[in-house]
Amino acid sequence: QLQLQESGPGLVKPSETLSLTCTVSGGSISSSSYYWGWIRQPPGKGLEWIGSIYYSGSTYYNPSLKSRVTISVDTSKNQFSLKLSSVTAADTAVYYCARERQQLPTNWFDPWGQGTLVTVSS
Amino acid sequence: EIVLTQSPDFQSVTPKEKVTITCRASQSIGSSLHWYQQKPDQSPKLLIKYASQSISGVPSRFSGSGSGTDFTLTINSLEAEDAATYYCHQSSSLPWTFGQGTKVEIK
Repeated sequence: QLQLQESGPGLVKPSETLSLTCTVSGGSISSSSYYWGWIRQPPGKGLEWIGSIYYSGSTYYNPSLKSRVTISVDTSKNQFSLKLSSVTAADTAVYYCARERQQLPTNWFDPWGQGTLVTVSS
Repeated sequence: EIVLTQSPDFQSVTPKEKVTITCRASQSIGSSLHWYQQKPDQSPKLLIKYASQSISGVPSRFSGSGSGTDFTLTINSLEAEDAATYYCHQSSSLPWTFGQGTKVEIK
């Protein structure tokens, strides 16, 4: 059974870079037809897609965050990572990683990691 | 960006009642609409994909319908364990977007 686990600092200072890693177990990150995505959820609010990556390194990002986001993949470790630069309090959220299944013409997220809360504060 | 608007925002329902949640897209998205359930302090879980396709392991009381701009998630005979927030999600065009969520409370 595929599982995803987010890891990284729970507290980041304003203007610094948020860095998270998602470790995939129970399956290969190099599987075709799957992308790997990051989604966030501010406390008490809804879901926002951040971006996704294919095992080859191909990425696509939400334009609202694109200037600050980098998603990368390490197939040797079965991991993918998120970096979000110049963070502010508005970036405080639970960050989820998820497998993004592509079955043209559509994609969906399943399963999701448990999520990790990142607070931006000095 | 495609905006998804769910209604209602909140619903208080007695067990065994039928629940209907709607999701309206700001432009046509075909059937590229999916539904997720998020229970308190848990991550979202896929309930329905591609508007109406069922997911293995999801109880049969959950069903989806619609295409174009109007979609519906139906929960037949609500159970106490269905207390959660439900989100729709479109993947017709980038960026992927989600509805604002519908919270279902059990009376």
